[in-house]
Amino acid sequence: DGGITQSPKYLFRKEGQNVTLSCEQNLNHDAMYWYRQDPGQGLRLIYYSQIVNDFQKGDIAEGYSVSREKKESFPLTVTSAQKNPTAFYLCASSPDSYGYTFGSGTRLTVV
Amino acid sequence: GESVGLHLPTLSVQEGDNSIINCAYSNSASDYFIWYKQESGKGPQFIIDIRSNMDKRQGQRVTVLLNKTVKHLSLQIAATQPGDSAVYFCAEIRPNAGKSTFGDGTTLTVKP
Repeated sequence: DGGITQSPKYLFRKEGQNVTLSCEQNLNHDAMYWYRQDPGQGLRLIYYSQIVNDFQKGDIAEGYSVSREKKESFPLTVTSAQKNPTAFYLCASSPDSYGYTFGSGTRLTVV
Repeated sequence: GESVGLHLPTLSVQEGDNSIINCAYSNSASDYFIWYKQESGKGPQFIIDIRSNMDKRQGQRVTVLLNKTVKHLSLQIAATQPGDSAVYFCAEIRPNAGKSTFGDGTTLTVKP
C-alpha cells in the first residue's frame, strides 16, 4: 500500500543536541512538507519542497534544516538553535499542491 | 495577514445529534478548501473538500458549505457517533503559493 511513513513515533532530545526526523513516501508525490503542531494550535509550515534538490522556508524555519536528495525522502533536522522544539511534527506529501497525505507524526520532547 | 480560523475551540454534542463546525478564512482569492479530522496522536485525515465554484458538497454523513460572500466554511456531521470525536480543522489551499493555511482546530467530543 502506498503511504507516508514518519519515524520515530517518539523522540527525546537533550539540550544542545541535533536530531533528525525521518519522512518517507512511496506515493510518487512531487511535493513534501513539514509542519509543526503545538497544543491548541493549527499546523505551522516549517519547510516545503516541490521538487528534488529544491526546498523553501516556511513560516517558522528558524532552527530547522531539511534536505531533498531523493523524491521519496524529506528528512527534517531540529538543530540546537531551535529553542523550543517540543512539539508534534507532521510530514505531508502532495502530487499537485491541492491535496495532502499526512504521516502519523513524530512527537519530539526535550529532556 | 492571512489566516484561517475556527469559531469555537471545543464542541460537545450528544451521540446521534448533528454537529456543525465553522471556519472563517481571510484570503478571498482562495479557490479550494479541505476539512481534516485528526485523532489524538495521529496525523490528519482527509474528510471532504470543496472548490470555490461550489456552495455545497456532500459526502457520507458529512456536508461542507461554502459562503464566499462572508468567507465562511462549515462542516456538518449528521448523526454524530463516538468515533467522530477528534480535532477538526479546515485548510485553505493555495497551490500557486505551493503551500496552504490551516485553522487552529475544533475539538469535537461526542457524549454517549
